[in-house]
Order: sequence, then C-alpha cells, then structure tokens
Amino acid sequence: AQSVAQPEDQVNVAEGNPLTVKCTYSVSGNPYLFWYVQYPNRGLQFLLKYITGDNLVKGSYGFEAEFNKSQTSFHLKKPSALVSDSALYFCAVSPPGMDSSYKLIFGSGTRLLVRP
Amino acid sequence: DGGITQSPKYLFRKEGQNVTLSCEQNLNHDAMYWYRQDPGQGLRLIYYSQIVNDFQKGDIAEGYSVSREKKESFPLTVTSAQKNPTAFYLCASSIGSSSPYEQYFGPGTRLTVT
Repeated sequence: AQSVAQPEDQVNVAEGNPLTVKCTYSVSGNPYLFWYVQYPNRGLQFLLKYITGDNLVKGSYGFEAEFNKSQTSFHLKKPSALVSDSALYFCAVSPPGMDSSYKLIFGSGTRLLVRP
Repeated sequence: DGGITQSPKYLFRKEGQNVTLSCEQNLNHDAMYWYRQDPGQGLRLIYYSQIVNDFQKGDIAEGYSVSREKKESFPLTVTSAQKNPTAFYLCASSIGSSSPYEQYFGPGTRLTVT
C-alpha cells in the first residue's frame, strides 16, 4: 500500500535555530512529493513539491526540502526558524491512480512549535 | 485560501439530518476534491471530480454524496448514514488531475453533529 509517514507528532525548536520536519514515503513508481502547512482553523497552504530533477527543492517562506531516494525520505527544512512558523505541517505523496488521475495521500501531520 | 470559498465556517446539526457543505472556486480549475480531517489522522479523501458531471469515490465515501453540475461548484452532502460525521471538512481544487499538480484548499467547514 502506498503511504506517507511523519514519525514525529511534534517538533520543538528555538527561534533562530534550524528546523527539520521528517517525512518518509512508500510508493511504487516515481514519487511526487509535497509539503503543506496548516494554521489553526484554516485550510492547507502549498509550500513546495518535488517532481523530478534537483534533490533540493526550495519553496515558500524560506522552506526547502531534500529528496533522498535511497532513504525514501523528503524532509522539510528551514535554516532559521521563526515563531510565526508554528503550525501543522503535512507531507503528501501523489501516485497515479487506476484511473490515471493523481490524488494526494497525506501523512498524519507534525506540529511545529517555535519558542521565542 | 484564495480562490476557494467554503460556507459556512461552522455548522451544527442534529443526528439523523442530512447537511450540505458548499464549495466554490473561481480559479477555473477542472479538478475538485473533498477531504475529511480528524485529529491525528491527517486528511482523508472523500470524493473527487476530474471534470464537470463526473466524480469518483475516494477512500471514505460511505455516508457522503456529491454533485458537480458546474465547474466552479462541488457541494458535499453528509447524510444520516455517515456514522461519525463530526469533523473538519476541506475542499480543494487543482488545474487538473492528469498530472501531480498542487492542490489549493479552502478555509474549511467544521461540522458538529449531536
């Protein structure tokens, strides 16, 4: 079965420190990988995606993610965390379906808490 | 949230009543999706539509129904057959579904059934 795992329910980091939110995946074929962020009582916002090419993908708000095929991982990173980065982060994979459509399969989410 | 509206933001219903959640987009996207979000479980796909007048069941379609009569609208009905309807419901759209396009999400509707 195709799936996404986010092993940490919560990540705590001090403002100004680097942050990493982990994601591993299990899909057949080429992986198409996404990160989304959700602020309280809001919808999800797209951060970045990996389709092909450079393993380091840059996205919105200074976030980046590193695709590692051998470790089947797509960890989200930011060099210097801000208090305003505190939110719920979702990793997602988009495999082709039986009807050749691409849908998102989400991980369970990781809550990021950046303390001042 | 830009371009996708969901109404209402909060909805309260008595058990046994059907309820319809609205989703409208002005992004001219062909594909639209409905997800359910429960604490600690991420998002689960209820229904999706690749084009007007066509839709398919997602992973948890039982107890839900949808229609796609217009490109910009994809309402979701939560029927009395849905055993545990209290949840946060999110609508999304994408340019299409024939490639892994990113999805754009609405602000969500929080449904409480008592």
